Amino acid sequence: AQSVTQLDSQVPVFEEAPVELRCNYSSSVSVYLFWYVQYPNQGLQLLLKYLSGSTLVKGINGFEAEFNKSQTSFHLRKPSVHISDTAEYFCAVSLNSNYQLIWGAGTKLIIKP
Amino acid sequence: NAGVTQTPKFQVLKTGQSMTLQCAQDMNHNSMYWYRQDPGMGLRLIYYSASEGTTDKGEVPNGYNVSRLNKREFSLRLESAAPSQTSVYFCAILAASSYNSPLHFGNGTRLTVT
Repeated sequence: AQSVTQLDSQVPVFEEAPVELRCNYSSSVSVYLFWYVQYPNQGLQLLLKYLSGSTLVKGINGFEAEFNKSQTSFHLRKPSVHISDTAEYFCAVSLNSNYQLIWGAGTKLIIKP
Repeated sequence: NAGVTQTPKFQVLKTGQSMTLQCAQDMNHNSMYWYRQDPGMGLRLIYYSASEGTTDKGEVPNGYNVSRLNKREFSLRLESAAPSQTSVYFCAILAASSYNSPLHFGNGTRLTVT
């Protein structure tokens, strides 16, 4: 069965420091990969997605993610975080055979001043 | 979030009461979804509708019913609410008719069952 694992439930980091949020998936078929962000008391919005092509994907707000097929990972990175990046981040996988997404449990990014 | 409107935003129910959560979209997309979000569990799919008049069960459908009467609206009904249904409920639509399309979410309904 397919699954998505976000290895950290919370990641505290100082403002202006770099951050990496980890995501691993298991699937025997081709997948599409997504990162969504949820700001407090809001719905989720798309941060970036990987469909095919270059394994380094750039998204909004300075975030990027790298698809690593051999390690089945899709880690999210930002070189310098800002207090406004405080949010919960969700990794998701879409199988190319139906319209359902498989979600990770989420990682809360906590920015320390 | 533009395009997906959920009502109400907040609701408190007593065990055994019923209610309907409403979701409406103005983006003319076919696929609509209901998720629940609980701390540490990510999003879990309750039901989805690939097109008007069709609905399918997701991961956690027990205790819920849905209705997709037209392309624009997809409602979620709790016939007899239980404390285990305390959660934040999100409606979402698929941005386009392809598996690699992102979802657009509403702002959620925060439900407490006492």
